[in-house]
Amino acid sequence: QKEVEQDPGPLSVPEGAIVSLNCTYSNSAFQYFMWYRQYSRKGPELLMYTYSSGNKEDGRFTAQVDKSSKYISLFIRDSQPSDSATYLCAMDRTSGSRLTFGEGTQLTVNP
Amino acid sequence: KAGVTQTPRYLIKTRGQQVTLSCSPISGHRSVSWYQQTPGQGLQFLFEYFSETQRNKGNFPGRFSGRQFSNSRSEMNVSTLELGDSALYLCASSLDLTGELFFGEGSRLTVL
Repeated sequence: QKEVEQDPGPLSVPEGAIVSLNCTYSNSAFQYFMWYRQYSRKGPELLMYTYSSGNKEDGRFTAQVDKSSKYISLFIRDSQPSDSATYLCAMDRTSGSRLTFGEGTQLTVNP
Repeated sequence: KAGVTQTPRYLIKTRGQQVTLSCSPISGHRSVSWYQQTPGQGLQFLFEYFSETQRNKGNFPGRFSGRQFSNSRSEMNVSTLELGDSALYLCASSLDLTGELFFGEGSRLTVL
Protein backbone atom coordinates (compact mmCIF):
# COMPACT_ATOMS: atom_id res chain seq x y z
CA GLN A 1 0.00 0.00 0.00
CA LYS A 2 1.29 3.46 -0.89
CA GLU A 3 1.96 5.91 1.92
CA VAL A 4 -0.04 8.58 0.09
CA GLU A 5 -3.16 7.79 -1.93
CA GLN A 6 -4.63 10.21 -4.43
CA ASP A 7 -7.37 9.60 -6.97
CA PRO A 8 -5.70 10.12 -10.36
CA GLY A 9 -8.94 11.20 -12.02
CA PRO A 10 -9.25 12.51 -14.63
CA LEU A 11 -11.60 15.14 -13.25
CA SER A 12 -13.52 17.39 -15.64
CA VAL A 13 -15.59 20.36 -14.44
CA PRO A 14 -17.26 23.40 -16.01
CA GLU A 15 -15.76 26.84 -15.57
CA GLY A 16 -16.82 28.43 -12.29
CA ALA A 17 -17.27 25.12 -10.45
CA ILE A 18 -15.84 24.39 -7.02
CA VAL A 19 -13.21 21.68 -7.26
CA SER A 20 -12.31 19.37 -4.41
CA LEU A 21 -9.08 17.37 -4.54
CA ASN A 22 -8.15 14.92 -1.82
CA CYS A 23 -5.37 12.73 -0.49
CA THR A 24 -5.20 10.21 2.28
CA TYR A 25 -2.02 9.04 3.96
CA SER A 26 -0.96 6.31 6.32
CA ASN A 27 2.19 7.70 7.99
CA SER A 28 1.18 9.57 11.14
CA ALA A 29 4.65 11.15 11.27
CA PHE A 30 3.82 13.49 8.40
CA GLN A 31 3.67 17.06 9.70
CA TYR A 32 4.09 19.20 6.59
CA PHE A 33 1.57 19.12 3.77
CA MET A 34 1.80 20.67 0.35
CA TRP A 35 -0.11 20.96 -2.90
CA TYR A 36 1.73 21.31 -6.18
CA ARG A 37 0.36 22.14 -9.61
CA GLN A 38 1.99 20.68 -12.70
CA TYR A 39 1.16 21.87 -16.18
CA SER A 40 1.85 19.61 -19.12
CA ARG A 41 5.56 19.37 -19.93
CA LYS A 42 6.46 21.52 -16.92
CA GLY A 43 7.83 20.84 -13.47
CA PRO A 44 5.59 21.01 -10.39
CA GLU A 45 5.14 24.39 -8.72
CA LEU A 46 4.17 24.91 -5.09
CA LEU A 47 0.59 26.11 -4.55
CA MET A 48 -0.08 25.70 -0.86
CA TYR A 49 1.99 24.78 2.18
CA THR A 50 0.52 23.92 5.58
CA TYR A 51 1.92 22.67 8.83
CA SER A 52 -0.08 20.28 11.03
CA SER A 53 -3.90 20.44 11.06
CA GLY A 54 -6.16 23.29 10.02
CA ASN A 55 -7.14 25.41 7.05
CA LYS A 56 -5.17 27.82 4.92
CA GLU A 57 -6.62 30.10 2.30
CA ASP A 58 -4.87 31.85 -0.57
CA GLY A 59 -7.12 33.58 -3.07
CA ARG A 60 -9.31 30.98 -4.74
CA PHE A 61 -7.42 28.11 -3.11
CA THR A 62 -8.07 26.59 0.31
CA ALA A 63 -6.04 23.77 1.81
CA GLN A 64 -7.38 21.65 4.66
CA VAL A 65 -5.51 19.16 6.81
CA ASP A 66 -7.22 16.71 9.14
CA LYS A 67 -4.47 14.77 10.87
CA SER A 68 -6.90 12.74 12.95
CA SER A 69 -8.35 11.28 9.76
CA LYS A 70 -5.06 11.40 7.84
CA TYR A 71 -6.84 13.32 5.11
CA ILE A 72 -5.93 16.50 3.23
CA SER A 73 -7.93 18.49 0.72
CA LEU A 74 -7.48 21.31 -1.75
CA PHE A 75 -10.51 23.36 -2.78
CA ILE A 76 -10.50 25.60 -5.84
CA ARG A 77 -13.30 28.15 -6.01
CA ASP A 78 -14.52 29.74 -9.24
CA SER A 79 -12.36 27.38 -11.28
CA GLN A 80 -10.86 28.73 -14.52
CA PRO A 81 -9.63 26.98 -17.67
CA SER A 82 -6.13 28.09 -16.64
CA ASP A 83 -6.49 25.81 -13.60
CA SER A 84 -6.38 22.79 -15.93
CA ALA A 85 -3.34 20.86 -14.74
CA THR A 86 -2.30 17.91 -12.62
CA TYR A 87 -2.50 18.56 -8.88
CA LEU A 88 -0.14 16.68 -6.62
CA CYS A 89 -0.32 16.41 -2.88
CA ALA A 90 2.97 16.02 -1.03
CA MET A 91 3.97 15.60 2.57
CA ASP A 92 7.01 15.26 4.79
CA ARG A 93 7.92 14.45 8.38
CA THR A 94 10.20 17.44 8.60
CA SER A 95 10.44 20.65 6.63
CA GLY A 96 12.84 19.17 4.12
CA SER A 97 13.24 18.05 0.57
CA ARG A 98 12.37 14.38 0.94
CA LEU A 99 8.74 14.70 -0.03
CA THR A 100 6.30 11.83 -0.46
CA PHE A 101 3.93 12.61 -3.31
CA GLY A 102 0.52 11.37 -4.28
CA GLU A 103 0.11 10.15 -7.84
CA GLY A 104 -1.58 13.39 -8.89
CA THR A 105 -5.11 14.24 -10.07
CA GLN A 106 -5.54 15.46 -13.63
CA LEU A 107 -8.04 18.34 -13.70
CA THR A 108 -9.67 19.87 -16.77
CA VAL A 109 -11.81 23.01 -16.44
CA ASN A 110 -14.00 23.43 -19.48
CA PRO A 111 -14.93 26.95 -20.67
CA LYS B 1 16.05 35.35 -12.03
CA ALA B 2 16.63 32.15 -13.96
CA GLY B 3 14.87 29.04 -12.74
CA VAL B 4 16.18 25.52 -12.37
CA THR B 5 17.73 24.35 -15.63
CA GLN B 6 17.90 20.70 -16.58
CA THR B 7 19.74 19.24 -19.53
CA PRO B 8 19.13 17.42 -21.73
CA ARG B 9 15.35 17.81 -21.92
CA TYR B 10 14.82 14.64 -23.91
CA LEU B 11 16.97 11.62 -24.54
CA ILE B 12 16.67 8.08 -25.82
CA LYS B 13 18.94 5.28 -24.68
CA THR B 14 19.02 1.53 -25.06
CA ARG B 15 19.09 -1.09 -22.32
CA GLY B 16 22.47 -1.52 -20.72
CA GLN B 17 23.69 1.98 -21.51
CA GLN B 18 24.30 4.65 -18.94
CA VAL B 19 23.06 8.22 -18.79
CA THR B 20 24.08 11.43 -17.04
CA LEU B 21 21.59 14.20 -16.37
CA SER B 22 22.53 17.70 -15.33
CA CYS B 23 20.83 20.26 -13.12
CA SER B 24 21.72 23.90 -12.53
CA PRO B 25 19.88 25.25 -9.48
CA ILE B 26 18.59 28.75 -8.98
CA SER B 27 21.46 31.10 -8.19
CA GLY B 28 22.14 31.08 -4.45
CA HIS B 29 20.34 27.80 -3.81
CA ARG B 30 22.54 25.24 -2.09
CA SER B 31 20.23 22.23 -1.90
CA VAL B 32 19.42 20.07 -4.90
CA SER B 33 17.01 17.13 -4.90
CA TRP B 34 16.19 14.64 -7.62
CA TYR B 35 12.87 12.90 -8.24
CA GLN B 36 11.71 10.27 -10.71
CA GLN B 37 8.20 10.69 -12.13
CA THR B 38 6.38 7.81 -13.82
CA PRO B 39 2.67 7.36 -14.63
CA GLY B 40 2.22 4.44 -12.25
CA GLN B 41 4.36 5.53 -9.30
CA GLY B 42 4.14 9.31 -9.45
CA LEU B 43 7.06 11.33 -8.09
CA GLN B 44 9.55 9.36 -6.06
CA PHE B 45 12.47 10.84 -4.17
CA LEU B 46 15.89 9.80 -5.44
CA PHE B 47 18.40 11.81 -3.41
CA GLU B 48 19.25 15.19 -1.97
CA TYR B 49 22.53 17.08 -1.95
CA PHE B 50 23.59 20.02 0.14
CA SER B 51 27.03 21.60 0.04
CA GLU B 52 28.38 18.74 -2.08
CA THR B 53 27.22 16.10 0.43
CA GLN B 54 24.44 13.59 -0.07
CA ARG B 55 22.03 14.20 2.79
CA ASN B 56 19.22 11.79 1.93
CA LYS B 57 18.72 8.87 -0.40
CA GLY B 58 15.50 7.25 -1.54
CA ASN B 59 14.79 3.58 -2.14
CA PHE B 60 16.44 3.16 -5.51
CA PRO B 61 19.11 0.63 -6.51
CA GLY B 62 22.78 1.53 -6.55
CA ARG B 63 22.62 2.04 -10.32
CA PHE B 64 21.27 5.47 -9.49
CA SER B 65 23.91 7.87 -8.25
CA GLY B 66 24.51 11.56 -8.08
CA ARG B 67 26.87 14.27 -7.07
CA GLN B 68 26.96 17.98 -6.43
CA PHE B 69 29.71 20.36 -7.36
CA SER B 70 31.08 23.33 -5.45
CA ASN B 71 28.92 25.70 -7.54
CA SER B 72 25.82 23.70 -6.41
CA ARG B 73 25.24 22.25 -9.89
CA SER B 74 24.30 18.60 -9.70
CA GLU B 75 24.42 15.55 -11.91
CA MET B 76 22.71 12.22 -11.61
CA ASN B 77 23.83 9.06 -13.31
CA VAL B 78 21.97 5.87 -14.09
CA SER B 79 24.07 2.91 -15.14
CA THR B 80 23.00 -0.31 -16.86
CA LEU B 81 19.71 1.17 -17.96
CA GLU B 82 16.55 -0.92 -17.77
CA LEU B 83 13.24 -0.41 -19.58
CA GLY B 84 11.65 0.56 -16.26
CA ASP B 85 14.00 3.52 -15.94
CA SER B 86 12.01 5.34 -18.60
CA ALA B 87 10.67 8.36 -16.75
CA LEU B 88 10.74 12.09 -16.28
CA TYR B 89 13.63 12.99 -13.98
CA LEU B 90 13.00 16.17 -12.07
CA CYS B 91 15.52 18.28 -10.26
CA ALA B 92 14.49 20.72 -7.54
CA SER B 93 16.53 23.33 -5.75
CA SER B 94 15.97 25.17 -2.51
CA LEU B 95 17.80 27.84 -0.61
CA ASP B 96 18.66 25.44 2.17
CA LEU B 97 17.49 22.13 3.58
CA THR B 98 14.13 23.48 4.73
CA GLY B 99 13.15 25.89 2.01
CA GLU B 100 10.52 25.72 -0.71
CA LEU B 101 11.40 23.42 -3.59
CA PHE B 102 11.59 24.92 -7.06
CA PHE B 103 11.42 22.30 -9.79
CA GLY B 104 12.96 22.30 -13.22
CA GLU B 105 11.07 21.12 -16.31
CA GLY B 106 12.71 17.72 -16.17
CA SER B 107 14.70 15.41 -18.39
CA ARG B 108 12.53 12.84 -20.15
CA LEU B 109 14.43 9.57 -20.55
CA THR B 110 13.20 6.82 -22.82
CA VAL B 111 14.93 3.45 -22.62
CA LEU B 112 14.43 1.14 -25.61
